[in-house]
Amino acid sequence: DVKVTQSSRYLVKRTGEKVFLECVQDMDHENMFWYRQDPGLGLRLIYFSYDVKMKEKGDIPEGYSVSREKKERFSLILESASTNQTSMYLCASSRYVSYNEQFFGPGTRLTVL
Amino acid sequence: AQRVTQPEKLLSVFKGAPVELKCNYSYSGSPELFWYVQYSRQRLQLLLRHISRESIKGFTADLNKGETSFHLKKPFAQEEDSAMYYCALNAGGTSYGKLTFGQGTILTVHP
Repeated sequence: DVKVTQSSRYLVKRTGEKVFLECVQDMDHENMFWYRQDPGLGLRLIYFSYDVKMKEKGDIPEGYSVSREKKERFSLILESASTNQTSMYLCASSRYVSYNEQFFGPGTRLTVL
Repeated sequence: AQRVTQPEKLLSVFKGAPVELKCNYSYSGSPELFWYVQYSRQRLQLLLRHISRESIKGFTADLNKGETSFHLKKPFAQEEDSAMYYCALNAGGTSYGKLTFGQGTILTVHP
């Protein structure tokens, strides 16, 4: 059974703090993704990675960065958190082949005060 | 650039009634279309994809390239179908499996 885990279910941070969201998958998937989920806006891709140390910007990368030092782990970093980054963050992974299913983590609800 | 539109934010039906969740897309190539579902307190998961032409939990979806639509249908809705539904598009090729999601439709099935 594919498992994608995220380090925190709920997180509360203050404006200006550096925030790390961690995602780990145990299926040896090549691709990993970070989305934010907002009501009325659906899921929007922030960053993705198709290999270790490789990363590509998604649709809304501003204010975020990522790190993928190991194949199973993909981190999302908010360099200086702002209130408009309050959201649900979803991590996903998939095998390399383009049309494959994405497997999602449970999500991290981040609140920035 | 690709785009996915789900025109209904909310959809309410009664148990046993037919249900159709609309999805329209814009993409000039040959896309792969998916429906993902998120039940209450569960993670987002794949419901079905057009390439496999399956029927999952009684749901079907047909890709209509002429109308650029991929509507999700079920002839008799059940209360357990209540969930958030997302339509998603994969552009294929060197897209690395990236998905473009629609805005989502919350389906509520009343008893």
